Amino acid sequence: DGGITQSPKYLFRKEGQNVTLSCEQNLNHDAMYWYRQDPGQGLRLIYYSQIVNDFQKGDIAEGYSVSREKKESFPLTVTSAQKNPTAFYLCASSIEAHPNQPQHFGDGTRLSIL
Amino acid sequence: AQSVTQLDSQVPVFEEAPVELRCNYSSSVSVYLFWYVQYPNQGLQLLLKYLSGSTLVKGINGFEAEFNKSQTSFHLRKPSVHISDTAEYFCAVTYGGFKTIFGAGTRLFVKA
Repeated sequence: DGGITQSPKYLFRKEGQNVTLSCEQNLNHDAMYWYRQDPGQGLRLIYYSQIVNDFQKGDIAEGYSVSREKKESFPLTVTSAQKNPTAFYLCASSIEAHPNQPQHFGDGTRLSIL
Repeated sequence: AQSVTQLDSQVPVFEEAPVELRCNYSSSVSVYLFWYVQYPNQGLQLLLKYLSGSTLVKGINGFEAEFNKSQTSFHLRKPSVHISDTAEYFCAVTYGGFKTIFGAGTRLFVKA
């Protein structure tokens, strides 16, 4: 079955540590996204990528970094500069970077601070 | 600024009763509208979308939504809910550009 796989499901970060969240899709979608979800705040866009080797900052990119070296992969690194990283992180993709395209989501990674 | 407002943070309802989840968005010439559902500890799944054409849109699991341009609303409805409909529902709007704006979510709780 085609879909988006996020790993790990749960992740713990120590102070001063960088951690990387994995996102892989086998839908052959061009566009990929990372969102942060906090209770009562909906989803906020961290980064998005319209094509391989290209990505753009979203609304809350500070303290995060991404890469898009392969079409199917869009890993997110939460750096030590992100002072409040505890949240649920969702990766999504769409066929193309067009506003009428719905997004397909992975099952998320829950990040907590030790 | 562009915004999406879900008017109810929580909606409790008895099983087999009708339900309406309300969504308003800031006005724009061109919008694309979506409703997603999220079950606990999972990602979002698309329920339905409005791109153009008929203002009444039917989605999965018996849900439907009506696009009202004059009131800038896109309310989600179901005539008879089940226990399994308990979840969080998100209204999302993509304005002419690329970015999708999500509402804060409405938690639907169906009681037996």
